[in-house]
Amino acid sequence: SAVISQKPSRDICQRGTSLTIQCQVDSQVTMMFWYRQQPGQSLTLIATANQGSEATYESGFVIDKFPISRPNLTFSTLTVSNMSPEDSSIYLCSVERPGVSYEQYFGPGTRLTVT
Amino acid sequence: DQQVKQNSPSLSVQEGRISILNCDYTNSMFDYFLWYKKYPAEGPTFLISISSIKDKNEDGRFTVFLNKSAKHLSLHIVPSQPGDSAVYFCAASRDNYGQNFVFGPGTRLSVLP
Repeated sequence: SAVISQKPSRDICQRGTSLTIQCQVDSQVTMMFWYRQQPGQSLTLIATANQGSEATYESGFVIDKFPISRPNLTFSTLTVSNMSPEDSSIYLCSVERPGVSYEQYFGPGTRLTVT
Repeated sequence: DQQVKQNSPSLSVQEGRISILNCDYTNSMFDYFLWYKKYPAEGPTFLISISSIKDKNEDGRFTVFLNKSAKHLSLHIVPSQPGDSAVYFCAASRDNYGQNFVFGPGTRLSVLP
């Protein structure tokens, strides 16, 4: 199985600021995914990040708000820009299980609180 | 509009008994379904899956049943153990590659010793 780490594990930020979340995988993967879990809600896919190309965003999410970088096959960042209290969530990155596209490994998540 | 629903936010079961977690979906185009388990401060971990061509898949203590006509699936855990206490997410795949999952809101299972 893939080992995924995220930094920071949690943060408390002021509204109007930005936070960049890092996701590191211990093996090379083609696709990485970023999810959000708002309080009491389900996991929602924000975007899919391929190495060397623009991220693909889901409906309701835009690049200006959630810019993503994917500089290599083991690393990605998600930035939450111009934060508001509504951005308070757990943000998780995930990767496909090799050869089994229907299954994903998830990172431990980043708990973000915006005050 | 919630495409994947888990109407029970929580469930308590006695150790050794059966736990049944339910999931309903609205999109008939979903063709693959998964269950994930999540402990506090950890990411979800894959538990079991089922393709729409099957109606049952079993893996040890875990069995998933799919009723396509009712757009309903359930996860059975038997016998339940205290270590099974976690939040369980039902997820459905909405495209041919199975990469875009739609998750339910989760059910918190508590297995009481």
